[in-house]
Amino acid sequence: DAGVIQSPRHEVTEMGQEVTLRCKPISGHDYLFWYRQTMMRGLELLIYFNNNVPIDDSGMPEDRFSAKMPNASFSTLKIQPSEPRDSAVYFCASMGLSFGYTFGSGTRLTVV
Amino acid sequence: KNEVEQSPQNLTAQEGEFITINCSYSVGISALHWLQQHPGGGIVSLFMLSSGKKKHGRLIATINIQEKHSSLHITASHPRDSAVYICEGTGNEKLTFGTGTRLTIIP
Repeated sequence: DAGVIQSPRHEVTEMGQEVTLRCKPISGHDYLFWYRQTMMRGLELLIYFNNNVPIDDSGMPEDRFSAKMPNASFSTLKIQPSEPRDSAVYFCASMGLSFGYTFGSGTRLTVV
Repeated sequence: KNEVEQSPQNLTAQEGEFITINCSYSVGISALHWLQQHPGGGIVSLFMLSSGKKKHGRLIATINIQEKHSSLHITASHPRDSAVYICEGTGNEKLTFGTGTRLTIIP
C-alpha cells in the first residue's frame, strides 16, 4: 500500500484565491482526519469522517473552510477565500480497525 | 489550560539514556495515541492504548485511565529518536492534543 497520499506537497497562493487540498486514504480505513499544524497552535484537528460521513467539524476555523469525502478513497479540504493566516502544514490521516493512524506527508500551504 | 498536558516540553539527553515523556489529561478519554513527528515534518503513529502497557522495539507506552496519565519510555535512546512526541486523547468523539515534547538525543 502506498500509504496516505496527499497532494499537492506544496502550495503557494495569493490571498483571496481558492485552495483545494486532496487526500487519498489507505484502502479499507474507515476514518479520515484533516489536521492543521502551525508553530503558534501546534497540531489541531479540523474535521474527521467515519465511513465518508463528517463526524466532528468543530475544529474547522470558519466558514471559509470546507471538507468533503465523496467516496471512501478521496477527500478534499477547501479554503475559499484563502488568507495569510491559513498558512500552515495540513495533514491528512486515515485509521482502520487496528486504530493506528497513518499520516500523509502533509501539504505545506503558503498564502501570500 | 490545555486539556492534555505533556512534560517536559523540551528534553535533551545523551545517547543511551532512558527517556520518559509524560502525558496527563483532565478530560475523560477512552484511548490515547502517541505520535512522533520527525524533524522533516512527517508524523508517525507509535501507539494507541486504552489500558496497561504496549511495547514496540525500544519504545514502551503505559496508561492509567483512572489516574488520567500516560507515559512514553524510550530505552537505549539514539539520535534518530530526536523528534517531537505528541500525545492525543480520544473520548466522546473528540480528539485533544498535548502540546508536544521536543526530544533531542546527543551522540
